[in-house]
Amino acid sequence: TQLLEQSPQFLSIQEGENLTVYCNSSSVFSSLQWYRQEPGEGPVLLVTVVTGGEVKKLKRLTFQFGDARKDSSLHITAAQPGDTGLYLCAGPGGDMRFGAGTRLTVKP
Amino acid sequence: DSGVTQTPKHLITATGQRVTLRCSPRSGDLSVYWYQQSLDQGLQFLIQYYNGEERAKGNILERFSAQQFPDLHSELNLSSLELGDSALYFCASSAQTAHGYGYTFGSGTRLTVV
Repeated sequence: TQLLEQSPQFLSIQEGENLTVYCNSSSVFSSLQWYRQEPGEGPVLLVTVVTGGEVKKLKRLTFQFGDARKDSSLHITAAQPGDTGLYLCAGPGGDMRFGAGTRLTVKP
Repeated sequence: DSGVTQTPKHLITATGQRVTLRCSPRSGDLSVYWYQQSLDQGLQFLIQYYNGEERAKGNILERFSAQQFPDLHSELNLSSLELGDSALYFCASSAQTAHGYGYTFGSGTRLTVV
């Protein structure tokens, strides 16, 4: 089983701050995906990264896939309360395995 | 609306009972995945079906079973329910069984066993 470790587990910041969350594994992945989940809802796909070293931007969110395709990071610039949620990374491996997530709270 | 429909949204039942959760995948998606999400355990993969056939199995208990019907909807059956089975159960669908394709999740069924 390919394990995905996410850090930090919890993050509470003020509106306007920047943050980075991480997704690490000892295994190589063909791709990694990032999802955001809000309370009472299912996860929503944000991005898929496929190529080692790839950087993708989604408005204020920047996703990076490690050169060795074992890790990924999500950087949020000028966080807003609407960014609050559980951020999950996921990697394929016979099925989609999810990390435990980073629970982000952005205070106004 | 994600296009993946799960019913019911909420379910309260007693220990020892049996329940059936239903999922209709997004139009055109052949793969259906079931996940269990508990407060302290994150998203745990249970089982995958592709076009009616079981494709992958995760940490699914023997008391649980699933199937995918010819119209591609899927049902997850949970029997001899225990308090610890209380959780959110999510269904997701994707167009392909190959890796790297994003999943579309439903809004989940919240199961409470009392």
